[in-house]
Formats: sequence, structure tokens, C-alpha cells
Amino acid sequence: GNSVTQMEGPVTLSEEAFLTINCTYTATGYPSLFWYVQYPGEGLQLLLKATKADDKGSNKGFEATYRKETTSFHLEKGSVQVSDSAVYFCALFFGNEKLTFGTGTRLTIIP
Amino acid sequence: NAGVMQNPRHLVRRRGQEARLRCSPMKGHSHVYWYRQLPEEGLKFMVYLQKENIIDESGMPKERFSAEFPKEGPSILRIQQVVRGDSAAYFCASSLGPSDEQYFGPGTRLTVT
Repeated sequence: GNSVTQMEGPVTLSEEAFLTINCTYTATGYPSLFWYVQYPGEGLQLLLKATKADDKGSNKGFEATYRKETTSFHLEKGSVQVSDSAVYFCALFFGNEKLTFGTGTRLTIIP
Repeated sequence: NAGVMQNPRHLVRRRGQEARLRCSPMKGHSHVYWYRQLPEEGLKFMVYLQKENIIDESGMPKERFSAEFPKEGPSILRIQQVVRGDSAAYFCASSLGPSDEQYFGPGTRLTVT
């Protein structure tokens, strides 16, 4: 079956540090890939997405590139802020109705 | 344009009671999905519905859980005879079509005492 494996947290960084959260997937075929963010007490918000190999999704300074050869979609940001503290979820989608999520990575940014 | 609405936001039930969770999709969306997030875990798909139809319920427990999305009104996720293990956050998402982006509601946090 399809699955998503995410870097385990929690991750704690200082403000302005470089962020990488690893995500790899297992799937038959080529899914669309997503990063969602969940701020405390809230629902999920779509952060960025990529629908085919080599696509780069970007939003709010975050980036992720769909790498077919390594089945990965790592999330990166060059300089994190305290407001980036949240839980980040990687997910895949085949257009067959349901999203398959990773377990989430809790990120805390210290001023 | 209102987003996906869920109510209640917090629900406390004693063991054995029934829990009813409501989800109003975004305007114009006729596809609804329910996901469950157990403490410190990711979201797990439960059920996918279109108006008046259950399309995929492969993630829903066979007993005590049911879902509906009537022609009029919100989608309802019902949990009968709740147990402590049902304590979780339940998220609803909606989309325009089956291959379109899913928009999530704020979730209902169910606590079973």
C-alpha cells in the first residue's frame, strides 16, 4: 500500500536557522505530494504541493522538490521564524479520493 | 466565502454515550472526507462521501461508527457507545471534485471520560 515516512520530531531550532524536514514515500505510480501545516489548536492548512517529478512547490519561504529517483519531498526553509512553530505533515494523493499522511513533525523555533 | 465548518469544536462524552460530529463543506463542494488524528499521530483517513452516497469507508471501524452526508444539511459522523480509545481530533475536509484540493476544517476534539 501507499505510505509516507517523515523525519521524527520534535525538532527545535533557533530563529534564523536552516530547516530541513525529510519526507519519503512508497507508492505504485506517481502521486501528487503535499506539505500541510497545523498550528496549535487549528486544522490543517496546505503549505505547498507538487504534482509531478521535478516540480518545486514553494510558499512563505518554504520549498520542497518532488524527487522521483529518491521518492522524496523534503521540506526546507532558509531562515525560520518563531511563527513557523507548528506541526508539519507530508502527504501523498493519487486523485483516488483520500490523502495518505505521514505522522507529522513538531517544529519549535526558539527566539 | 466561508471555509469548512465543524461543530462542536470540543466535545466531552462519558463512556457509552453517543457522539455526533458535524461538518459543513465549503460552498459548492459536494465531496466530504473524514480523518481522525490520535494523540501524537498523523491523520488517518476514515470515510469519503458525496451527497447521499458513501464512496469509500475503508478507514472506518466496522462497529459503532457511521457517517452520512444528506442532500440537505451537514455531513454527520456518529460514534455510538464511545470508548476511551475514541478520544481524538476528528477533521473534516471538502473538495469540489474527487481529484481536487481538499480544504480542512478546524476539527472536533472528542474527549471520552
